[in-house]
Amino acid sequence: GAGVSQSPRYKVAKRGQDVALRCDPISGHVSLFWYQQALGQGPEFLTYFQNEAQLDKSGLPSDRFFAERPEGSVSTLKIQRTQQEDSAVYLCASSPGGDRAYQPQHFGDGTRLSIL
Amino acid sequence: AQTVTQSQPEMSVQEAETVTLSCTYDTSESDYYLFWYKQPPSRQMILVIRQEAYKQQNATENRFSVNFQKAAKSFSLKISDSQLGDAAMYFCASRTFTGGFKTIFGAGTRLFVKA
Repeated sequence: GAGVSQSPRYKVAKRGQDVALRCDPISGHVSLFWYQQALGQGPEFLTYFQNEAQLDKSGLPSDRFFAERPEGSVSTLKIQRTQQEDSAVYLCASSPGGDRAYQPQHFGDGTRLSIL
Repeated sequence: AQTVTQSQPEMSVQEAETVTLSCTYDTSESDYYLFWYKQPPSRQMILVIRQEAYKQQNATENRFSVNFQKAAKSFSLKISDSQLGDAAMYFCASRTFTGGFKTIFGAGTRLFVKA
């Protein structure tokens, strides 16, 4: 597609359930990022992929969070045993190259996750 | 560690007027990039303007320009001839060559544009 696509756009889950959030980056983009954006705050880095390799996962808040990008394109962010503090907008972004810090990231519309 | 600080939670501007959004940052890196992103209610982050730290010349994109003061670690955004469509959250961000190229965002400034 023309842009980064994220699904679902909204997700409501009960505390303790597992959820999976999907990101379709722009075709051919090497780099893929996940961010967590709490209400009224700026996005916070979660993890970074270069193709299928997860090069940085330092932002994942706990071992309940897991991300994968097995074929170097679509990525899934999984949250196990969700808790109320996981409620946030999860943003995905992609950029064309790997080691190119100047390249701006193209963001999706995000998934708003609400944990009841 | 990188930090980005936006001290103005909200700003307001009259249509056609000029407004400046403030941002300060801190990094131990010598090479880095600075960005301003706009986030409308639709939630999609849109790049407004970017600045390479090694360039002294301030970046300009149409009605948007920055005042980059490297020694002071200041990176403000000026919006000229403000339009109703400029109303959004604005985030200042920094990115370095190390540390996995993670982008660090400020808390944001909500801009209101009055007709």
